[in-house]
Amino acid sequence: DAKTTQPPSMDCAEGRAANLPCNHSTISGNEYVYWYRQIHSQGPQYIIHGLKNNETNEMASLIITEDRKSSTLILPHATLRDTAVYYCIARYSTLTFGKGTMLLVSP
Amino acid sequence: AAGVIQSPRHLIKEKRETATLKCYPIPRHDTVYWYQQGPGQDPQFLISFYEKMQSDKGSIPDRFSAQQFSDYHSELNMSSLELGDSALYFCASSSSRLAGETRVEQFFGPGTRLTVL
Repeated sequence: DAKTTQPPSMDCAEGRAANLPCNHSTISGNEYVYWYRQIHSQGPQYIIHGLKNNETNEMASLIITEDRKSSTLILPHATLRDTAVYYCIARYSTLTFGKGTMLLVSP
Repeated sequence: AAGVIQSPRHLIKEKRETATLKCYPIPRHDTVYWYQQGPGQDPQFLISFYEKMQSDKGSIPDRFSAQQFSDYHSELNMSSLELGDSALYFCASSSSRLAGETRVEQFFGPGTRLTVL
């Protein structure tokens, strides 16, 4: 799995969009970009994944740069319940969790 | 919807004892994964099984073993427990892990908190 780099923490006001960046400059052509999140001590939760194209689902949007060296997870309207550690994973087979970004959503 | 079930949810053991953690995947999921998350640490992949065969191996200690049964549930057996084995152990499951297929999401259970005294 390619190494990913994320900021250790971010803040977001409730109701605003949260944009979480991830660098994966060594990603290979067959590695997908996955995003999971973990709310304190709960099991990680799948959010979204993509290969080349931007993706959107009911939880979030994933924007992948054309060179695939970085991506951004967008939570369009963050709520207090979105406070969690967000993990960006460049994956071919098993999930390798890095340090992640602790997102704090405040009222 | 049915989720991944793990039992027990909490377990306290003494050093050098053994422990068995159980995981019941989501119905019709055929792949099971085990992760270990130490205090303040990120989840670390231990091992996975597809159709009862070991499919991938991560940083699982030799003191640990695991298997997947015919009903797809899995057990993680831990022997000669050490203080450093105290952690949250997560099981995840996914479906239809075809050869070379990587576009599968993993569904995680609530975890088993193991405390070794």
